[in-house]
Amino acid sequence: TQLLEQSPQFLSIQEGENLTVYCNSSSVFSSLQWYRQEPGEGPVLLVTVVTGGEVKKLKRLTFQFGDARKDSSLHITAAQPGDTGLYLCAGARETSGSRLTFGEGTQLTVNP
Amino acid sequence: DAGVTQSPTHLIKTRGQQVTLRCSPKSGHDTVSWYQQALGQGPQFIFQYYEEEERQRGNFPDRFSGHQFPNYSSELNVNALLLGDSALYLCASSSREKWGQPQHFGDGTRLSIL
Repeated sequence: TQLLEQSPQFLSIQEGENLTVYCNSSSVFSSLQWYRQEPGEGPVLLVTVVTGGEVKKLKRLTFQFGDARKDSSLHITAAQPGDTGLYLCAGARETSGSRLTFGEGTQLTVNP
Repeated sequence: DAGVTQSPTHLIKTRGQQVTLRCSPKSGHDTVSWYQQALGQGPQFIFQYYEEEERQRGNFPDRFSGHQFPNYSSELNVNALLLGDSALYLCASSSREKWGQPQHFGDGTRLSIL
């Protein structure tokens, strides 16, 4: 059972366009993390959000945690080819230690 | 400061064989988690070790077992390999005392079953 649903699953856009990736769940998470993974490598952490309604910005990336801590979004402004990769959201619950529940990922391709 | 290291990077086995994958956690981390990532999917939690014991387990059969050593390194063992076990196996480390701090992932072992 996939507790975190990501959408879209695939996204192919042109350089300079904006995009948003969504991560939704019916369950509450204590924190939510976003990772980026490139072929042949492990996931690399982009950001952790822990407070409902929290918004974090990392250069052209904006991350938001829903008020109820059940959903999150990642918005990329003016995408660049270097943004290409698999974007993964992962939820953690304080009662589950450091165990992460991952979404299925969004494969982003930014064409020059 | 070395991050999480995994070995081997690639492995090819045949059905029915057994395999052992290895992981060294990031310096200062005492907890190791293993994940299976099938092609085109997100990682799935297998189990977690700290203090040399399995503490949590995901929905994986008993063919999947593990071990943690006193130096916090860990092994993942899979017996009676099936074609469906082909995947990228990721190891992640963290500190039990610092809940909420991010896990650090290795680059994984790509296991192919023929």
